Amino acid sequence: GAGVSQSPRYKVAKRGQDVALRCDPISGHVSLFWYQQALGQGPEFLTYFQNEAQLDKSGLPSDRFFAERPEGSVSTLKIQRTQQEDSAVYLCASSTTSGQYFGPGTRLLVL
Amino acid sequence: GESVGLHLPTLSVQEGDNSIINCAYSNSASDYFIWYKQESGKGPQFIIDIRSNMDKRQGQRVTVLLNKTVKHLSLQIAATQPGDSAVYFCAENMGGANSKLTFGKGITLSVRP
Repeated sequence: GAGVSQSPRYKVAKRGQDVALRCDPISGHVSLFWYQQALGQGPEFLTYFQNEAQLDKSGLPSDRFFAERPEGSVSTLKIQRTQQEDSAVYLCASSTTSGQYFGPGTRLLVL
Repeated sequence: GESVGLHLPTLSVQEGDNSIINCAYSNSASDYFIWYKQESGKGPQFIIDIRSNMDKRQGQRVTVLLNKTVKHLSLQIAATQPGDSAVYFCAENMGGANSKLTFGKGITLSVRP
């Protein structure tokens, strides 16, 4: 079946611009996670949804980061007033009890 | 603090040999561990997982070993192939696949033909 998909795959933003990153999880997966991966590092947790409820947002680095999953399926990660330190790969994962499965990521470059 | 780390940044092996990738974790409360493979430009790919009530689990050409006494996790890849070349991450959490993961920094596996 189809895996986790993310769009866009690449995004170049000027500093101060707002961006929106989309995640389509595996159909039927209740849990959805966002992670941030800096170059050469492992992914770091940002936020977690169970259906439409955002149960954990402890990893969001600032109030410029906002995530939503209004209908319990597709999720959007929004970054307002982007800064150069926001440049990273943003990974989405969905899960069942059998494992946590990642999408290809969105590579964000802030100039 | 709590961390998941890897001993070596790179590992080079001959095609056909067995590979062993090691990982240390410091959170003794962790009860679920996963190995991921990440190829350039792709997201982490699930390889195999293990729960803390087990010390060994086998998959296709891969085996994960868990030593809770010394808080050590390893991934063994049998008959390593060029397609195994990638960055490998161990990850851990408390609560299974539906809980946030803490990742190590990753180790690069390079397979020599």
